[in-house]
Amino acid sequence: GAVVSQHPSWVICKSGTSVKIECRSLDFQATTMFWYRQFPKQSLMLMATSNEGSKATYEQGVEKDKFLINHASLTLSTLTVTSAHPEDSSFYICSARDPSGGASNTGELFFGEGSRLTVL
Amino acid sequence: DAKTTQPPSMDCAEGRAANLPCNHSTISGNEYVYWYRQIHSQGPQYIIHGLKNNETNEMASLIITEDRKSSTLILPHATLRDTAVYYCIVRIVSNYQLIWGAGTKLIIKP
Repeated sequence: GAVVSQHPSWVICKSGTSVKIECRSLDFQATTMFWYRQFPKQSLMLMATSNEGSKATYEQGVEKDKFLINHASLTLSTLTVTSAHPEDSSFYICSARDPSGGASNTGELFFGEGSRLTVL
Repeated sequence: DAKTTQPPSMDCAEGRAANLPCNHSTISGNEYVYWYRQIHSQGPQYIIHGLKNNETNEMASLIITEDRKSSTLILPHATLRDTAVYYCIVRIVSNYQLIWGAGTKLIIKP
């Protein structure tokens, strides 16, 4: 099946610094990618929808100036957590849909391995 | 998208079939039932999906009731590696903005 890869898988940073997380679709072109955040023992929460070549669409309550999303190519979306604080510590997960397949497209989403951010 | 209800946790003995229920009584006619699982500290993994017919793949079977108000995911021979949180989501195929419930934490015991 299709593969989505995230990097880094874990990162520790100091409060006030910015951290970039990459999400790549390895064997398909993803016009749309999704970013989720997951706090310990909680479910995934959709943060934003990343569209190639256009601005991301953010869910209510998610600060677009704090969580910068760039989807400059069909295989790469990046999430930058700006001026990170300890409350931003979380597990960040991206997903992508493979738009190929036409009528046989199952609507399947492919998920990255996740990136664990710890802000000290 | 319709909401789902799942038991918070379940245990199953290794080698036995694990049957995970999901209620989706408000499901619409064009909504599919999708199952994903998330092993600790990993991204979710797609398992199976269906509309109204029962489905089977190499990972699991999906049984959907005739009225489509509930479904059961069956892992036929559970292994320790199947320990994970299992999520049941109903959605139309074109809606990729998934709403995740709490899921069922399945623990496979030796």
